[in-house]
Amino acid sequence: AQSVSQHNHHVILSEAASLELGCNYSYGGTVNLFWYVQYPGQHLQLLLKYFSGDPLVKGIKGFEAEFIKSKFSFNLRKPSVQWSDTAEYFCAVIFPNTGFQKLVFGTGTRLLVSP
Amino acid sequence: DSGVTQTPKHLITATGQRVTLRCSPRSGDLSVYWYQQSLDQGLQFLIQYYNGEERAKGNILERFSAQQFPDLHSELNLSSLELGDSALYFCASSASMVGQGADTQYFGPGTRLTVL
Repeated sequence: AQSVSQHNHHVILSEAASLELGCNYSYGGTVNLFWYVQYPGQHLQLLLKYFSGDPLVKGIKGFEAEFIKSKFSFNLRKPSVQWSDTAEYFCAVIFPNTGFQKLVFGTGTRLLVSP
Repeated sequence: DSGVTQTPKHLITATGQRVTLRCSPRSGDLSVYWYQQSLDQGLQFLIQYYNGEERAKGNILERFSAQQFPDLHSELNLSSLELGDSALYFCASSASMVGQGADTQYFGPGTRLTVL
């Protein structure tokens, strides 16, 4: 079955530290990749997405992600985190070969940024 | 604000009861998706509708059903509720449908269902 893995379940950083959250998926064909963020008590918001083209994608709030096809990865990065980045981060994938548009989510990574 | 609205925000009910969750998609979006977020299962896709027709089904229980109306709003009906149905239910919408390439899904604020 096609799946999405996020290996870091909890990450604790100090403000100004750099962030990298891992995301891997199981399918070797074409995929559409997303990172969503869920701030405490709020709904999912799109951070960035990759459909095709430049594998380095820039999103909102200083986040970026790099698609590495050979590693089936789409890691999220931010050079310097802020306290306001405390949230849960979800990697999600659409597997077009299924013919469906459903998002398959990873288990999420809870990020806590201490001031 | 994503433009997707969901009501109610919170719902508390008892086991065995039936509830209806409502979702209005972003203006112009024809696809509506329902997802369930629970502590043990994470975020799971339930069902997708496109322009009034069911397009894809995920891990949706037989006790659950959904529909999309001519004005494109959608309702998720949950019946014979069990304690394990307590979760956050999100609706998302997008412009495209199957076969027209992937599109971004925008999520509503969710309905938190508590079954006592």
